[in-house]
Formats: sequence, C-alpha cells, structure tokens
Amino acid sequence: DTEVTQTPKHLVMGMTNKKSLKCEQHMGHRAMYWYKQKAKKPPELMFVYSYEKLSINESVPSRFSPECPNSSLLNLHLHALQPEDSALYLCASSPSPGTGGFYGYTFGSGTRLTVV
Amino acid sequence: TQLLEQSPQFLSIQEGENLTVYCNSSSVFSSLQWYRQEPGEGPVLLVTVVTGGEVKKLKRLTFQFGDARKDSSLHITAAQPGDTGLYLCAGDPRRGNEKLTFGTGTRLTIIP
Repeated sequence: DTEVTQTPKHLVMGMTNKKSLKCEQHMGHRAMYWYKQKAKKPPELMFVYSYEKLSINESVPSRFSPECPNSSLLNLHLHALQPEDSALYLCASSPSPGTGGFYGYTFGSGTRLTVV
Repeated sequence: TQLLEQSPQFLSIQEGENLTVYCNSSSVFSSLQWYRQEPGEGPVLLVTVVTGGEVKKLKRLTFQFGDARKDSSLHITAAQPGDTGLYLCAGDPRRGNEKLTFGTGTRLTIIP
C-alpha cells in the first residue's frame, strides 16, 4: 500500500460546527504532515508529527487541533472556523522525520473544505 | 526564511512545444524536489536531485540541479495535454530538516 487516504473528500461546515478530517497511511511512515492550500497557491505547512508526537506547529490558530492516535492515523479537528479557512487540506507522510527532502512526501488527495 | 521563486508563474503552450520552468533561490539547499499537482488532487513527487549539477530524466522531462545548489530547472520536450498541472519545486534547507520549503508554483496548460 503506497497511498495516503484522506476522508472526507469534500466537507461543508457552518462556523459553529465541529468536524474532523482524517488521514491514514499504511506505509510505515513515521512523519506526517498537515498542509493548507488556497486556490492557485503552493501548500502551506500547518503541523508536523514525528513518531506520533507534535514537533512543529506553524502558529496555527487553536480552532485547528491536530491529533495522532497511532502511527498510521492523523486527524485534524475543526471548531468555530471562519470562511477564510476554506481551502484544500492536504495530509502527507515521509518515511521518518528529516527524510522528506531525500525520499519525498507522499500526499493524499486532500479534503476540500468550505466554511459557510 | 529561505524562499524558492518559480518562473514563469503561468504558462500556456500548444501541444508538441518545448518548455522550461525555473526554480530559484538565494540560499543553498541540500536537495530539491519537483512535484506535479492536478486539479482536486495532492502533489505527486516527480524527482529528487541532491548533487550540484545533477541531471535526471523522466521520459520527456529533464530536471537539473544548479552547480551551487541554489536553483533548478524542469524542461519538458514535446509537451502533451497530460502534462497540464501545477508544478511545484520544494527544497530541503539542510539534511535532516523536518520541513520542506515549497516554491511559488508554475501553472502549466497544454493546449491540444
């Protein structure tokens, strides 16, 4: 299995809702990432998990809450989002922390989030 | 902050033509990667270059890493509609760094 699977593919939520995005990989990768991508822009890093522990938080607002329950699963919990948070949310993984620059990242197809 | 500037930002050419996309920085990178992203999908890794002056070929795509490891280019020969997408370069500022620096992106459209 060489894929990163993200669910749901599309999500529409109100500003008072609570929802979660899910990311799963079974490649044995020990580094996992959340990225946010606005239309026609490159991905922007949000969080990095290394060996299931949060190692980088790029000053992301607390309305985004990441969680890594085990080495295969990464969640992004969403609460009280704003319309400007509408974007494509991408999950990625690499074999181990610090190896992304050599082996590359495997990205999921993303969750298209719309906040209304 | 190390930046990667890509040029051109947008490129629209006829099928069969050749093109080159550039990725430039004032900083040195230990490695550089190229990704292609199609609409509604995540980026897909095309190549990693790690040695200054390195050239790699992937069918009609040729990737080069600059001698000083500050820049890279992607050359496509005889472009096809399937080459359409957003091309992203991404650099690793130092070996073992936990995050990549992504370039500004080049949106390529190949007209049949």
